[in-house]
Amino acid sequence: DTGVSQNPRHKITKRGQNVTFRCDPISEHNRLYWYRQTLGQGPEFLTYFQNEAQLEKSRLLSDRFSAERPKGSFSTLEIQRTEQGDSAMYLCASTHSGGTDTQYFGPGTRLTVL
Amino acid sequence: AQSVSQHNHHVILSEAASLELGCNYSYGGTVNLFWYVQYPGQHLQLLLKYFSGDPLVKGIKGFEAEFIKSKFSFNLRKPSVQWSDTAEYFCAVSRGSQGNLIFGKGTKLSVKP
Repeated sequence: DTGVSQNPRHKITKRGQNVTFRCDPISEHNRLYWYRQTLGQGPEFLTYFQNEAQLEKSRLLSDRFSAERPKGSFSTLEIQRTEQGDSAMYLCASTHSGGTDTQYFGPGTRLTVL
Repeated sequence: AQSVSQHNHHVILSEAASLELGCNYSYGGTVNLFWYVQYPGQHLQLLLKYFSGDPLVKGIKGFEAEFIKSKFSFNLRKPSVQWSDTAEYFCAVSRGSQGNLIFGKGTKLSVKP
């Protein structure tokens, strides 16, 4: 399968713990996006990378959140000191470039904070 | 605030009925418009997109959408739905070269066989 992959698919953690998610984009896709989706809502943009450079961060991305994309390939999203409000589906998408190009989404990582 | 609005939260249709899902956005200037679909247990996938040219766009599985600039709308249509169209449908907008998508809340479509 050459689509976008995300790991883990599910994560249950206790409040206050740190968690890290990984996204592997479609190879040779330059752009990588992170979104968050809560129940009854559409995905909300968090941040995106052009190769290894993080070009924009949403105001939703508090200082407890950090994302990296070393070497412009896979990306990680870390949440420190998790809160119950962080419970959501975290989606990753990749594309050749921005604007009109189709974003291909991964299956997501479902985070539950107890 | 800038937003994308989808008018219907849940639509229930019988097979062979016609479908129209509404989408309005509140951005001025040039926008790129998308409809994504999420089938049960699957991830989001693109149905169709519009960025320029003919405002009537055809997508996969018999879906089409019409961009009406004066109404800031991009409604999704299908003349005859099938049970397999049961899914959640999301309208999304992007602006400029950044490409980050702004999604509506989604519309759940249930098609009764």
